[in-house]
This record gives sequence, structure tokens and C-alpha cells, in this order.
Amino acid sequence: NAGVTQTPKFQVLKTGQSMTLQCAQDMNHEYMSWYRQDPGMGLRLIHYSVGAGITDQGEVPNGYNVSRSTTEDFPLRLLSAAPSQTSVYFCASSYGDRVHEQYFGPGTRLTVT
Amino acid sequence: AQTVTQSQPEMSVQEAETVTLSCTYDTSESDYYLFWYKQPPSRQMILVIRQEAYKQQNATENRFSVNFQKAAKSFSLKISDSQLGDAAMYFCAYRSAREYGNKLVFGAGTILRVKS
Repeated sequence: NAGVTQTPKFQVLKTGQSMTLQCAQDMNHEYMSWYRQDPGMGLRLIHYSVGAGITDQGEVPNGYNVSRSTTEDFPLRLLSAAPSQTSVYFCASSYGDRVHEQYFGPGTRLTVT
Repeated sequence: AQTVTQSQPEMSVQEAETVTLSCTYDTSESDYYLFWYKQPPSRQMILVIRQEAYKQQNATENRFSVNFQKAAKSFSLKISDSQLGDAAMYFCAYRSAREYGNKLVFGAGTILRVKS
């Protein structure tokens, strides 16, 4: 199993550009989430999904869109990048509420200039 | 909303000695889960240990153990016989047992430095 994969590992965007961060898992996990990590703030939940076709907002959803058309994939879209979105982004997945461990991807470092 | 506080931005420990990282949390719920995650320089998030709030016994995993004080809302991590490979950022995290989505609330993290 590859586990949770994220692409790209690094990205530099100009203000106003759009892009999609990719996340995929091959463990047949129901739940998937996106977090952002900023210095001094830990990780904060952006959006999450409890199954294909079902998504919901987390703590810091503004400026981001998600969709979940398949169990395996959970892309995160930045429609118009802003410097405040400079961060490290992590995707995570888990079977569901019964199994507690979340498996994290390796992260994407995004810089918006 | 729940919050998690890690009051120690940085800690240092001598190799082979013991160190304790602090974590407090705020919640009105009685059923929840607590976690410690390790993030080495590789950036990978690694689960170190977990604790179910309904269990009175403190969790242990080899050299890692927790001191869970439910009434005080405290969840500290003790690392015994510290090794150079323990150097990392450590995050405390909370998850409600009532909410769907396996949503974690993280503290700001503690950088642990291990001196040889």
C-alpha cells in the first residue's frame, strides 16, 4: 500500500492564481481531511469528508473548495490564491470513527507571493 | 469549541534522560480521545500514543507514556530514556467522540531537542 499520497510536494503560486492539491489513499478509508499547518498554530482543519459525495467545512474553510467523487481521492482547490494561504497542507484519512488513527500524507509546502 | 494548549514552545533533554511535555485542553464533553503526534524534520505526522477518556488507566507505548488527569483536563507525555531520534515537534490533539468526521483539534506544538 502507498498509504496517503499528496502531490505536489512543493508549489509556488502568484497571488490570484488557482491550483489543486491532490490527495489519494489506497486503504479504502471512508474519512478524509485537509489540514493546514502554520508556525505557532499547530494543524487546523480546512475541510473533511465522511464518504464519497459528502463533504463539510472545518475550522478554516474560507478560500478553499473540496469535492469527493471517489473514495480514493480528495482534492483541495484554491480558487484565487492569497499570501495568507502560504502554509504546509496535510491530507489525512481513516476508516471512520471506530478506528481512531488518522494516516497523514507527507504534506505540500505552498508559497503564495 | 474545544481548544488544546501546549504551553512549552521548546524543551531540551539529555540523551538517556526523561522529559515530560505538557498539554491541557478545554471541553465540555465527557467522552473524547486524546493523542500525541510526532513530526520529525521529514514533516511526516506519526501517531505516538492515544488515550480514551473513559479509560482511567494511562496509556503506554514502550518508552512513551501519558499522565491523563481528566478532572484537570491535562494530558502530558513522558518520554523515558530519550534518544536522538526523539528530536521532533510534538503535537497534542483532541477528538470528540460525539462528532462525525474524525476531526482533530491540535495544540501549537512543542519542539523537543535531544542533546548528546
